[in-house]
Amino acid sequence: GENVEQHPSTLSVQEGDSAVIKCTYSDSASNYFPWYKQELGKRPQLIIDIRSNVGEKKDQRIAVTLNKTAKHFSLHITETQPEDSAVYFCAASKRQAGTALIFGKGTTLSVSS
Amino acid sequence: DVKVTQSSRYLVKRTGEKVFLECVQDMDHENMFWYRQDPGLGLRLIYFSYDVKMKEKGDIPEGYSVSREKKERFSLILESASTNQTSMYLCASHSGRSGNEQFFGPGTRLTVL
Repeated sequence: GENVEQHPSTLSVQEGDSAVIKCTYSDSASNYFPWYKQELGKRPQLIIDIRSNVGEKKDQRIAVTLNKTAKHFSLHITETQPEDSAVYFCAASKRQAGTALIFGKGTTLSVSS
Repeated sequence: DVKVTQSSRYLVKRTGEKVFLECVQDMDHENMFWYRQDPGLGLRLIYFSYDVKMKEKGDIPEGYSVSREKKERFSLILESASTNQTSMYLCASHSGRSGNEQFFGPGTRLTVL
């Protein structure tokens, strides 16, 4: 089955710096790669996703890149703000009937002002 | 707005008790999932269901069973709770259509004494 590795497990940056979180996946048939943000005490929420027919996607200060050949994808957050502090999870799936999202172990991002 | 609700936010049970965790979604989603979340281990898939009365094992099904008698409701059952099942349990649902967001419930913090 699918296996998703996520690095780093913790990341500390200064406000205004950029943050990058990287994930690799094992199943070459996976074609959907979402990123979820979980603030303390709250449920995970989708912040951005990318499908395998796209190499990059941006939404304001966040962007995701996908390298299908290398089977890795990354989350980039620019101009970080204290409210970006949270746990971020990457995930992968084949997005077809009978499959499920498999998540990485998460990255705890701390943005200090 | 999609609403995924879970029957309890906090639950304390004794070793050996049978425990039911209930999840309900109100958006007619096909797919429903149970994850457990532990520090440093991320979100691990226990079971999922892509249709009424259908179930599939996830990565860590041992010690758990599930029931989906109605489309909107997905129950996680611990037949005989053990202390190593102390965890945060998150339910999620997804429409089943490609690319659509997977929504999470608020979580149930289960403590087994």
